Amino acid sequence: DAGITQSPRYKITETGRQVTLMCHQTWSHSYMFWYRQDLGHGLRLIYYSAAADITDKGEVPDGYVVSRSKTENFPLTLESATRSQTSVYFCASSRQERNSPLHFGNGTRLTVT
Amino acid sequence: AQSVTQPDIHITVSEGASLELRCNYSYGATPYLFWYVQSPGQGLQLLLKYFSGDTLVQGIKGFEAEFKRSQSSFNLRKPSVHWSDAAEYFCAVGEAGTASKLTFGTGTRLQVTL
Repeated sequence: DAGITQSPRYKITETGRQVTLMCHQTWSHSYMFWYRQDLGHGLRLIYYSAAADITDKGEVPDGYVVSRSKTENFPLTLESATRSQTSVYFCASSRQERNSPLHFGNGTRLTVT
Repeated sequence: AQSVTQPDIHITVSEGASLELRCNYSYGATPYLFWYVQSPGQGLQLLLKYFSGDTLVQGIKGFEAEFKRSQSSFNLRKPSVHWSDAAEYFCAVGEAGTASKLTFGTGTRLQVTL
């Protein structure tokens, strides 16, 4: 039971570079989410997806792009990284049912220099 | 829009002592409420959830929480804390009565002294 896998676990990049964070789940969950975790803010939703080819903005989507061509993958791209995007990024998934809770990956720690 | 407040940023308790972590929410309808725990370097794990019915819910690892609508609270409790409970705890509310599109509080870091 691999569950939900994020890669890489750690990433250092420079301001202005493009970087993609990967998320893969083996449960065939319909919903997938990207959150960022920052001190003093808890977790904030960046983007989510209800199914393949369906995505929607969350609370803090600016500077991020997502796609979902396959149910199991939900990559998050920072098209031109900024220092304010230094954070820990968590991917999560859930079944379609209303009462289905979130399952989280172990996170990617991104540092933008 | 819904919101969650965890007023305690950091709490320290002795091993074997009781624990209560506070959570207040703002939501217009009947909320879906959750407590998640995060160990260092790990993702978040669901401790317990409230959807409806009995206002006292039991979770994993001996935790429980009580939903009090009149106080807009969903406090987490444990009768006797173990050193392994040291972690960060997040309260969350589900948007529009869902369990997945969540709004999180800022978290409470629990330290356990031996």
